[in-house]
Amino acid sequence: AQRVTQPEKLLSVFKGAPVELKCNYSYSGSPELFWYVQYSRQRLQLLLRHISRESIKGFTADLNKGETSFHLKKPFAQEEDSAMYYCALKETSGSRLTFGEGTQLTVNP
Amino acid sequence: DAGITQSPRHKVTETGTPVTLRCHQTENHRYMYWYRQDPGHGLRLIHYSYGVKDTDKGEVSDGYSVSRSKTEDFLLTLESATSSQTSVYFCAIRVGGDNEQFFGPGTRLTVL
Repeated sequence: AQRVTQPEKLLSVFKGAPVELKCNYSYSGSPELFWYVQYSRQRLQLLLRHISRESIKGFTADLNKGETSFHLKKPFAQEEDSAMYYCALKETSGSRLTFGEGTQLTVNP
Repeated sequence: DAGITQSPRHKVTETGTPVTLRCHQTENHRYMYWYRQDPGHGLRLIHYSYGVKDTDKGEVSDGYSVSRSKTEDFLLTLESATSSQTSVYFCAIRVGGDNEQFFGPGTRLTVL
């Protein structure tokens, strides 16, 4: 069965510092991976997906199949980046997503 | 917001009472999902639906049932609520061709 692990429950950085939120997965097939973000008192929303290889709000994530990782990175964190971040995996067939436990990011001024 | 709403948004109930949460969408998406969000567990899938009257279990389905009698509504029922079902419940729909899921605003349920 697939599994997504986010080893850091809490992550705190200062404004302007680089930030990396870790995500590791286990899945025997070819996964699709996503990052979702939940700002305070708001609904979850898609941040980015590995297929499109896009950069959203300065965030990027590269799928590393050798290390089975999909870490989220941003070179210069902003206070408005403070939120809960979830990594999610979709199996090759089917429509279900498996989410990690989430990482609460706090960017301090 | 892809036309997805949840009702009620907040509910407090007592152990042993039945509770039904409603998810409503306005764009005729085929796939709908119910998750619960708990600290330390992230989001866990309860049930999902791939069409009218077509539903399947997720990873934490015990104690929950669902129904989908029409495309726009996906109901989650707790037949006899327990304190362990105190949680925030999110509904989601699958949109587009990239398997993106769009989430509702959530329902905060407290079982006393």
